Amino acid sequence: TQLLEQSPQFLSIQEGENLTVYCNSSSVFSSLQWYRQEPGEGPVLLVTVVTGGEVKKLKRLTFQFGDARKDSSLHITAAQPGDTGLYLCAGARKTSYDKVIFGPGTSLSVIP
Amino acid sequence: KAGVTQTPRYLIKTRGQQVTLSCSPISGHRSVSWYQQTPGQGLQFLFEYFSETQRNKGNFPGRFSGRQFSNSRSEMNVSTLELGDSALYLCASSPQRGTQYFGPGTRLLVL
Repeated sequence: TQLLEQSPQFLSIQEGENLTVYCNSSSVFSSLQWYRQEPGEGPVLLVTVVTGGEVKKLKRLTFQFGDARKDSSLHITAAQPGDTGLYLCAGARKTSYDKVIFGPGTSLSVIP
Repeated sequence: KAGVTQTPRYLIKTRGQQVTLSCSPISGHRSVSWYQQTPGQGLQFLFEYFSETQRNKGNFPGRFSGRQFSNSRSEMNVSTLELGDSALYLCASSPQRGTQYFGPGTRLLVL
């Protein structure tokens, strides 16, 4: 059972376009992280959101945590080829030690 | 602070052999988790260690094992390698709870 779902699974867009990817669950998370991974490398942390409704911006990337802390979105404005990669969301569940669960990822390709 | 380091970065083995991978977490991080990543299955959780104790375990066969040392460094071992074990093995460290920070991974190829 996939506790964290991401959509779309694949996305191919032209440079300069905007895009949004989604991370959804039926579970409540104490925090949620977004990572970007390039081929052959480990995921690199982009942001952590902890408060329901929280919005964080990282240059052209905007992250939002749902009010109920069950979902999140990542919006990229004016995508560039350097944004290409696998975007993973990960939720920390409220257990005695905040067990982390990863989604399957969205593979983004930005064509010059 | 230095990031998470993993050694070796690349490894080629043959079926039936065993392999040991090493991970050094970020200084001060006591939790180390291991993941297997393949194109078909994505990121799959292997196990997590905290203060030298296995705190959580994924659904992998007993051929996959790990340990953590008193300095928080961790190793994972895969015995009797199979072709399907070819993957990127990722180590992640975190403070007691919350966000994980990944190393660059070890690319294992089993022939």
